[in-house]
Amino acid sequence: QKEVEQDPGPLSVPEGAIVSLNCTYSNSAFQYFMWYRQYSRKGPELLMYTYSSGNKEDGRFTAQVDKSSKYISLFIRDSQPSDSATYLCAMSVGGSEKLVFGKGTKLTVNP
Amino acid sequence: DSGVTQTPKHLITATGQRVTLRCSPRSGDLSVYWYQQSLDQGLQFLIQYYNGEERAKGNILERFSAQQFPDLHSELNLSSLELGDSALYFCASSSRTGFSGQYFGPGTRLTVT
Repeated sequence: QKEVEQDPGPLSVPEGAIVSLNCTYSNSAFQYFMWYRQYSRKGPELLMYTYSSGNKEDGRFTAQVDKSSKYISLFIRDSQPSDSATYLCAMSVGGSEKLVFGKGTKLTVNP
Repeated sequence: DSGVTQTPKHLITATGQRVTLRCSPRSGDLSVYWYQQSLDQGLQFLIQYYNGEERAKGNILERFSAQQFPDLHSELNLSSLELGDSALYFCASSSRTGFSGQYFGPGTRLTVT
């Protein structure tokens, strides 16, 4: 079993839709959770980071962590064509330690 | 722009050769991480340096090595290259004060022919 599982999609939605992206993990020691956005052939761009359980909101983006279920989510409200990218979840045990990534979900938002 | 720089952007070389990838972290960051991204394996951690010292190692091949210099830039050396080493190589850096995630550079695309 992989440490982090993420549905690769692809996911295609109309502009303005609410998008839900998810990851599950097996290592209960993970404490730090991140979401990255990666455009084709570019470096991953940090979108959000959270520590332990709970919700965090930043503009149109909301990150949720449920440690009891080992499940994290990223919600994108009012999705835009510019949101079309691959979204990667990542997590680590310590704040200054290696990241373990999901394989990424490819999202397309159609105008 | 994350503030992390990497050179070169692209590298094409032949099997058996050796290359060096360079990374400069964000100003003030002491930690540098190297990752490899391939289509089948996704993003995989290779190695971490903190203020010049090796901090952690992932599934890094013995043919690969890295170092971090006093000015905090880092180099990843790949030798005896094989076709399977073709991938995107990213470095990332993180803040010395508190947790705020890792910030990635634009990557080096390595093609081994």
